[in-house]
Amino acid sequence: NAGVTQTPKFRILKIGQSMTLQCTQDMNHNYMYWYRQDPGMGLKLIYYSVGAGITDKGEVPNGYNVSRSTTEDFPLRLELAAPSQTSVYFCASTYLGQNTEAFFGQGTRLTVV
Amino acid sequence: GENVEQHPSTLSVQEGDSAVIKCTYSDSASNYFPWYKQELGKGPQLIIDIRSNVGEKKDQRIAVTLNKTAKHFSLHITETQPEDSAVYFCAAQNAGGTSYGKLTFGQGTILTVHP
Repeated sequence: NAGVTQTPKFRILKIGQSMTLQCTQDMNHNYMYWYRQDPGMGLKLIYYSVGAGITDKGEVPNGYNVSRSTTEDFPLRLELAAPSQTSVYFCASTYLGQNTEAFFGQGTRLTVV
Repeated sequence: GENVEQHPSTLSVQEGDSAVIKCTYSDSASNYFPWYKQELGKGPQLIIDIRSNVGEKKDQRIAVTLNKTAKHFSLHITETQPEDSAVYFCAAQNAGGTSYGKLTFGQGTILTVHP
């Protein structure tokens, strides 16, 4: 059972480039999330989804887009990468949404230069 | 919105000592409080959680206490071991309505256990 899988693990982007961070889960969870982790700042919610076809903004959505065409996949798109998007990105999923364990992927370390 | 403050940012202890990490939250509607452990190069993993209908929960060497009146909760690790070294995050959630499982995290505590 793989759980939550993120690719790639590391990436260096130039300013203005675009990329998609992939996230897939095999637990049949309806709820999925993208967080970013900056040093000394904890994790901040970027976007979340409560099921296929439904997404909504979190606390720090600017510069990002998401889609949820299937229950399993929740890709995060960065358009026009900026140095401020240098961070570690984590995808997570939960079964019931509230009041239950969130399962995290191993993260994607992104550097924008 | 919710705001979670976590202290200390770093904590260094000797093996066998106890470690305590404290968090405060601002939204009185929050009622679910998980703690996550993040080892180097890995994603956070749930180690213990507490719901607002209880004041304390224990799992072997790990315990969490909750004071709803003061809006703070704490993680207690006893008999620490080198493998407890990691970053620990507290979080808060309003487990109802339109929260949809969104978590607000504290800033994290780097715990180092010296052999």
